[in-house]
Amino acid sequence: ETGVTQSPTHLIKTRGQQVTLRCSSQSGHNTVSWYQQALGQGPQFIFQYYREEENGRGNFPPRFSGLQFPNYSSELNVNALELDDSALYLCASSGETGKSTGELFFGEGSRLTVL
Amino acid sequence: LAKTTQPISMDSYEGQEVNITCSHNNIATNDYITWYQQFPSQGPRFIIQGYKTKVTNEVASLFIPADRKSSTLSLPRVSLSDTAVYYCLVGDDRGSTLGRLYFGRGTQLTVWP
Repeated sequence: ETGVTQSPTHLIKTRGQQVTLRCSSQSGHNTVSWYQQALGQGPQFIFQYYREEENGRGNFPPRFSGLQFPNYSSELNVNALELDDSALYLCASSGETGKSTGELFFGEGSRLTVL
Repeated sequence: LAKTTQPISMDSYEGQEVNITCSHNNIATNDYITWYQQFPSQGPRFIIQGYKTKVTNEVASLFIPADRKSSTLSLPRVSLSDTAVYYCLVGDDRGSTLGRLYFGRGTQLTVWP
């Protein structure tokens, strides 16, 4: 139990649609990172939000966008869905908790299937 | 981001010690070495982190040689529940890059009865 919650846990979309995934970070954490994990692969960094601002981005197109809210929760939005977007989307939180251990706390992920 | 190389898979039996070695030739001075464990359809879970020499916690040990170009995760007396994918990561975990990590494909450890 990491204290990071993601919703929905599973969802099915069709090509061309848009999806919004949500993440609540662990209490006291101000940084949220999003990862995409395709079947049989390791997680791939999408982007990171720190205090409501994007703070680094991986090799993903602009149709992947995000937000972070004042309570540090976050959303990942994907427009114009493609079949290859089918994956487990992971959210990880970290940040100022008094004594940072350099540890990322991951949620259980949102499984997206694009048909 | 420094990349890592680790075996794709390993097999072991219950009760044995398992050592997984990771190569990270381009590790930078500020980089830490971190290992995560992941079960199917779950998020990765932090196991251990170190900078140099040896680190030990309640679940594992991490050995890092002086040149820091490799590291070895040691799991003592594995059980069936240790069957998982293990990722070795290198990054500046205390700086602005915390959270922006390169996972690679990891090592699938299978523990047999």
